[in-house]
Amino acid sequence: QVQLQESGPGLVKPSGTLSLTCIVSSGSISSRNWWTWVRQAPGKGLEWIGEIYDGGITNYNPSLKSRLTISFDKSKNEFSLKLKSLTAADTAVYYCARDHSSGSSGYWGQGTLVTVSS
Amino acid sequence: DIQMTQSPSSLSASVGDRVTITCRASQAISNYLNWYQQRPGEAPQLLIYASFNLYSGVPSRFSGSGSGTDFTLTISSLQPEDFATYHCQQSYSKPYTFGQGTKVEI
Repeated sequence: QVQLQESGPGLVKPSGTLSLTCIVSSGSISSRNWWTWVRQAPGKGLEWIGEIYDGGITNYNPSLKSRLTISFDKSKNEFSLKLKSLTAADTAVYYCARDHSSGSSGYWGQGTLVTVSS
Repeated sequence: DIQMTQSPSSLSASVGDRVTITCRASQAISNYLNWYQQRPGEAPQLLIYASFNLYSGVPSRFSGSGSGTDFTLTISSLQPEDFATYHCQQSYSKPYTFGQGTKVEI
């Protein structure tokens, strides 16, 4: 079954840009699925960041939209997140996921902790 | 955005207990309600999608119900591996939103 793995820096400076990649294995990034990013601040609940669909259609959380870009690299079978103008409030575990049905996320990466600090 | 409110925020239970967690949406979401289990240090795992559909491999002691604004996750007989945090999520309207989580403790 499809497997997802997040990759990226664990520490990013305030005002900097976060770049994360989700590597997809045992499945094609070109399948007709929604590929999603979700984050979880320490001790907090889950926050839906945004998603991308085959063809490059994207939906972003309005609270992050001005700072966010989600894109594919189909040659590498992966998708990525870029979040700019970081603050401490962006410190979180970031998860990538793939949809299952009715908007649910059935496949998840293990998550990667990103700390925003100087 | 649609607000999702879970209750209780935490509960204490014993192995074998029947446990019920509720989730309320700030507006009607039909049956676009999903439940996830998250153990400490792990990623969420899908349990129930579209209100009552059991995800592949999920034990039958888990069940979901509800429509509109009020939903319920029930664990019929709590097992040791069920001590975790449970999250509801609406997938009716983007941005999809989650409840604050319910921690099930011993």
